[in-house]
Amino acid sequence: AQTIHQWPVAEIKAVGSPLSLGCTIKGKSSPNLYWYWQATGGTLQQLFYSITVGQVESVVQLNLSASRPKDDQFILSTEKLLLSHSGFYLCAWSPLTGGYEQYFGPGTRLTVL
Amino acid sequence: AQSVDQPDAHVTLSEGASLELRCSYSYSAAPYLFWYVQYPGQSLQFLLKYITGDTVVKGTKGFEAEFRKSNSSFNLKKSPAHWSDSAKYFCALESGGSNYKLTFGKGTLLTVTP
Repeated sequence: AQTIHQWPVAEIKAVGSPLSLGCTIKGKSSPNLYWYWQATGGTLQQLFYSITVGQVESVVQLNLSASRPKDDQFILSTEKLLLSHSGFYLCAWSPLTGGYEQYFGPGTRLTVL
Repeated sequence: AQSVDQPDAHVTLSEGASLELRCSYSYSAAPYLFWYVQYPGQSLQFLLKYITGDTVVKGTKGFEAEFRKSNSSFNLKKSPAHWSDSAKYFCALESGGSNYKLTFGKGTLLTVTP
């Protein structure tokens, strides 16, 4: 069975500080990977997707970047946090696209002060 | 451009009643449609999807949804509702081809009172 882990579970960071969030998928080779952001009580905004190691596509610009250094790992980062970065960050995977559901990780709750 | 509309931000009903959460979409091609559920403080869980074929699709937790091309809708249904169904429900649309984008609606917060 596939499992998806995200770290850390929660972060409290200062404006202007760097950030790195991680996601690991076990039990599935070559998954499609996705990052989402959810404001408190809001909808989900897709940020990035990756279909293979080393390739990441941006869906929306929020002063964030993403990388896929390994087949099973997806990293979200920024050098300078903004207040608007606060929210819930979710990593997801799917076997393919074209009608395949995505499976979401437990999420990381980020508070920027 | 694609979009998903969930017109009801909040729905409240009594346990045992029938629930129907509305979702409409705008997309120029054949859509792939999904419903997800988010319990308080948790991540998202997949409920069901429509790809092609039967317009009524069944999913987990006793939910089903009906795809209606005529009015671009994909409403979620369950009968009877249970208090444990209280959660936020999101409708989502995937554009096909090389575009891997999944667009979510704003969600409907469902409260089922015992």
